[in-house]
Amino acid sequence: KNEVEQSPQNLTAQEGEFITINCSYSVGISALHWLQQHPGGGIVSLFMLSSGKKKHGRLIATINIQEKHSSLHITASHPRDSAVYICAVTTSGSRLTFGEGTQLTVNP
Amino acid sequence: EPEVTQTPSHQVTQMGQEVILRCVPISNHLYFYWYRQILGQKVEFLVSFYNNEISEKSEIFDDQFSVERPDGSNFTLKIRSTKLEDSAMYFCASSAVGRLAGIFAGELFFGEGSRLTVL
Repeated sequence: KNEVEQSPQNLTAQEGEFITINCSYSVGISALHWLQQHPGGGIVSLFMLSSGKKKHGRLIATINIQEKHSSLHITASHPRDSAVYICAVTTSGSRLTFGEGTQLTVNP
Repeated sequence: EPEVTQTPSHQVTQMGQEVILRCVPISNHLYFYWYRQILGQKVEFLVSFYNNEISEKSEIFDDQFSVERPDGSNFTLKIRSTKLEDSAMYFCASSAVGRLAGIFAGELFFGEGSRLTVL
């Protein structure tokens, strides 16, 4: 069983839709990261959180430590949001353990 | 905006050759990392580096691999005697903060990656 599980694996939405990507983890963590991997392959950090909720523009990330679950929400989705969204966790060290990623496609 | 830069963006090499991938982390960052992503797979941790020494490494990071910070700006990953299965995208990352009181507290900034193809 993977330490970090994401769902769904693939998600197709229409422009303007509200999107939710889920992440569950099976280990104790010190932080959870949401990352975006764009089609060229580069990775951008979106959020790092260890409790509660963070918001940046149209993106919202939440985490429930007791349930070992996090969600990434995108409001008013746009085709430029199309990318792979990756959940990753840090445990006792500094290494990130990555999920498989969620491929998001937003159609105009 | 400060960024992590990596060179080359793409390298093709013959099996058995040595490869050096270069990274320039963000200038005031102290913690440096290499990750790799084999095509179609998830990103995997290779090694972290702090204060001129390896602070953590994965099972993947065997004697074939080495890292170095030869000067104040570059951070390199050397792969000796490359194998077909070393073909992957290699990402460098840096953070300003590492572990504080045992808790990892640093946001990572990634480079665009170096794609290595071993023939």
